[in-house]
Amino acid sequence: GQQLNQSPQSMFIQEGEDVSMNCTSSSIFNTWLWYKQDPGEGPVLLIALYKAGELTSNGRLTAQFGITRKDSFLNISASIPSDVGIYFCAGRPEEYGNKLVFGAGTILRVKS
Amino acid sequence: NAGVMQNPRHLVRRRGQEARLRCSPMKGHSHVYWYRQLPEEGLKFMVYLQKENIIDESGMPKERFSAEFPKEGPSILRIQQVVRGDSAAYFCASSPRGPSITDTQYFGPGTRLTVL
Repeated sequence: GQQLNQSPQSMFIQEGEDVSMNCTSSSIFNTWLWYKQDPGEGPVLLIALYKAGELTSNGRLTAQFGITRKDSFLNISASIPSDVGIYFCAGRPEEYGNKLVFGAGTILRVKS
Repeated sequence: NAGVMQNPRHLVRRRGQEARLRCSPMKGHSHVYWYRQLPEEGLKFMVYLQKENIIDESGMPKERFSAEFPKEGPSILRIQQVVRGDSAAYFCASSPRGPSITDTQYFGPGTRLTVL
């Protein structure tokens, strides 16, 4: 089925450290999106990836669309306290254009 | 530059009552999606609508749930005879284009439904 496995489930890191999280699937996806959700709010789009192999940056964030089209990773460099939140990957399955499938999220906690 | 608007932000209903959740898409967006999020889980797709049309409702429960996106006014997600298991956060997203690889969905702040 169209399931995304997102890992790690949670992270507790030191301020200033780099962070890495990823999503994998057994299905092929046409698009990978990374969102951040703060408590009580909706997901906010961080990075969108549309092409296999694509590497895109947004400030301290970098994400890549895996060559196999079945995975993606997100890196955050030099983490700061405001990076705290839940990060979700979302993919658009190959067989259906507009439905997004979400991972279960990575909870990021930063020690100041 | 208003984003996706949802109201109410919080809704409390007793079992058996009806819940109506509203979503106004971003200006210029004619595609609306509804998702449900249970605590500590990702968002689950429910339904995709364009103006006056339901395009894909494969994620909607077969009973008690309905959605519409009229020619004028917001999109409405309606839950009849709510049960405790309907308690969740319901998010609406909108996008400017139809199904395409580069289309991007922008999310509203959500409605948190609590069923007593």
